[in-house]
Amino acid sequence: DIQMTQSPSSLSASVGDRVTISCRASQSISIFLNWYQQRPGSAPKLLIYGASTLQSGVPSRFSGSASGTDFTLTISSLQPEDFATYYCQQSYTTPRTFGQGTRVEIK
Amino acid sequence: QVQLQESGPGLLKPSETLSLTCTVSGGSISSYYCSWIRQPAGKGLEWIGRVYTSGSTNYNSSLKSRLTMSVDTSKNLFSLKLISVTAADTAVYYCAREPTVSRQLDYWGQGILVTVSS
Repeated sequence: DIQMTQSPSSLSASVGDRVTISCRASQSISIFLNWYQQRPGSAPKLLIYGASTLQSGVPSRFSGSASGTDFTLTISSLQPEDFATYYCQQSYTTPRTFGQGTRVEIK
Repeated sequence: QVQLQESGPGLLKPSETLSLTCTVSGGSISSYYCSWIRQPAGKGLEWIGRVYTSGSTNYNSSLKSRLTMSVDTSKNLFSLKLISVTAADTAVYYCAREPTVSRQLDYWGQGILVTVSS
């Protein structure tokens, strides 16, 4: 199975900060990398697919990038509603696998 | 607007069979996978498996021996059956739609809490 390793596991940030979350795949997954946001008590929500394509309706402060097996989710200016847990997921092959999650907390 | 809704029992005893359905509304299920994902309280997401509208399946190897997924295209619904449940199967179970080409999980159900307890 492909292992997805996210870092950091948690971070504290302030409103307006630029935040980056990393995700590394254990082998090549091309650009089949998706990012999800999960607020407490809610289902995950798709933010970015294909490593860098913004899902319809998602604010443009979210962006994704890729370099080999390393992927990055960037929030350019953190908003109060962005405090949540973020997961990466590879959709290159089955079984699909998720990163362990990155919790973004208020500083 | 596409919506997915999970349904099924919320409480099971050890060794019983978990049966969940995912009903899709607001769009056709043709040419989509339905994936099932679960999340134990306070933990991360685990991909359980997926079923295509043709009925073909892919399962997580850790659950494969206990798992069956199916589809009823006439009713726009997908089903999951997990036999011989234990406390380790206690989790929120989600269904989500996956397009065949772009492969993201673009629409999710709200989730259903399944508790296994004697």
